[in-house]
Amino acid sequence: EVQLVESGGGLVQPGGSVRLSCVASGFTLSHYWVTWVRQAPGKGLEWVANIKEDGSERFYLESVKGRFSISRDNAKESVYLQMTSLRLEDTAVYFCARSPPAFDVWGQGTLVTVS
Amino acid sequence: QSALTQPASVSGSPGQSITISCTGTSSDIGGYNYVSWYQQHPGKGPKVMIYDVSHRPSGISNRFSGSRSGNTASLTISGLQAEDEGDYYCSSYISSTTFEVVFGGGTKLTVL
Repeated sequence: EVQLVESGGGLVQPGGSVRLSCVASGFTLSHYWVTWVRQAPGKGLEWVANIKEDGSERFYLESVKGRFSISRDNAKESVYLQMTSLRLEDTAVYFCARSPPAFDVWGQGTLVTVS
Repeated sequence: QSALTQPASVSGSPGQSITISCTGTSSDIGGYNYVSWYQQHPGKGPKVMIYDVSHRPSGISNRFSGSRSGNTASLTISGLQAEDEGDYYCSSYISSTTFEVVFGGGTKLTVL
């Protein structure tokens, strides 16, 4: 079965750090860009960051630049999101998704609560 | 980049058809053939229903269709069924080099 599974979320204090993981199975992750998308409680979806198949290109939402870092280890079929200097407004469920052109495979999400 | 504009809610009875609009600008919806629609049920990750404006992924019912006119995209669901109830989000690329995406605010579909 083609799937993505996120982990690493939890409760973190403002200014703190957390590292999210996204593990792929059922397909070869190295063939795809991967994107992190977040959803604040009761709110809509927001694109956060993405990374090219080989990791050579990475792009970020303006409000997370300098605080978040996306990386990948294709040998481990994994993509990571290192989040530092966390703010209250970063509280959200974080999804990883396979792309592009559309996000055709999504994980179930992992909740990060900054409080 | 501002979010795309969707109605907050729509509703319809089983068997009816509904259309959800998604309004953007020439820098997003009107500028790229990369408009997608996602369905989300509570506590679940989104599921792509339409990509590249009007294409259906394998396994998605032909009751779902997408279109675009200028800077506005639309999702039409015909023959409404109870399982169609949920939240729907449109999205569009805003850059063909970074693949950055902007989403709509979401529309809650209620099947009466």
